[in-house]
Amino acid sequence: SSELTQDPAVSVALGQTVRITCQGDSLRSYYASWYQQKPGQAPVLVIYGKNNRPSGIPDRFSGSSSGNTASLTITGAQAEDEADYYCNSRDSSGNHPFGGGTQLTVL
Amino acid sequence: EVQLVESGGGLVQPGGSLRLSCAASGFTFSSYEMNWVRQAPGKGLEWVSYISSSGSTIYYADSVKGRFTISRDNAKNSLYLQMNSLRAEDTAVYYCAREAVAGDFDYWGQGTLVTVSS
Repeated sequence: SSELTQDPAVSVALGQTVRITCQGDSLRSYYASWYQQKPGQAPVLVIYGKNNRPSGIPDRFSGSSSGNTASLTITGAQAEDEADYYCNSRDSSGNHPFGGGTQLTVL
Repeated sequence: EVQLVESGGGLVQPGGSLRLSCAASGFTFSSYEMNWVRQAPGKGLEWVSYISSSGSTIYYADSVKGRFTISRDNAKNSLYLQMNSLRAEDTAVYYCAREAVAGDFDYWGQGTLVTVSS
């Protein structure tokens, strides 16, 4: 299956750590990438590969993977991190499915 | 500076056709794989289609297979999406996205809105 599953919503207190997860069979073979999307804006890549951040992405964002689960961790969440987060991967058929997205609320 | 600029969106009736374009600049377009991704109003991201750097390999999501055609013109630094037999459920903002070596989408356009309605 090429489906990726995410929790619809997660909340975190300001300055605390939050983990957003993504599950799918394809993650056993391919890394996930993670995207942040704020209202009215295009998605922005925040994590790719094993645990890589594009230039300009704060180091409080990190990624990890185990078995069929990929995780995005924000260590010391800031108010500006409030957004929707999507995971993406590929499968053996060439598809590039996205997870359903996780709405992150920073309290 | 890498730029991706989509165009061609608009209002179309069910069953109609539309052709989206994505103009690329700031990088060697012919060296990169490209994708179309869409987002229905209030919904999540949905991958639509992939094309290899040469155009020889193409993939589609099941939801658009047989109706949409992705193509590219490397001489014009442009990506296209021909959309036929449009349905109400195709209403979305359509983004073009560059695919990096690791398979991630490292640059995105600003999107173009397609509305399918009578």
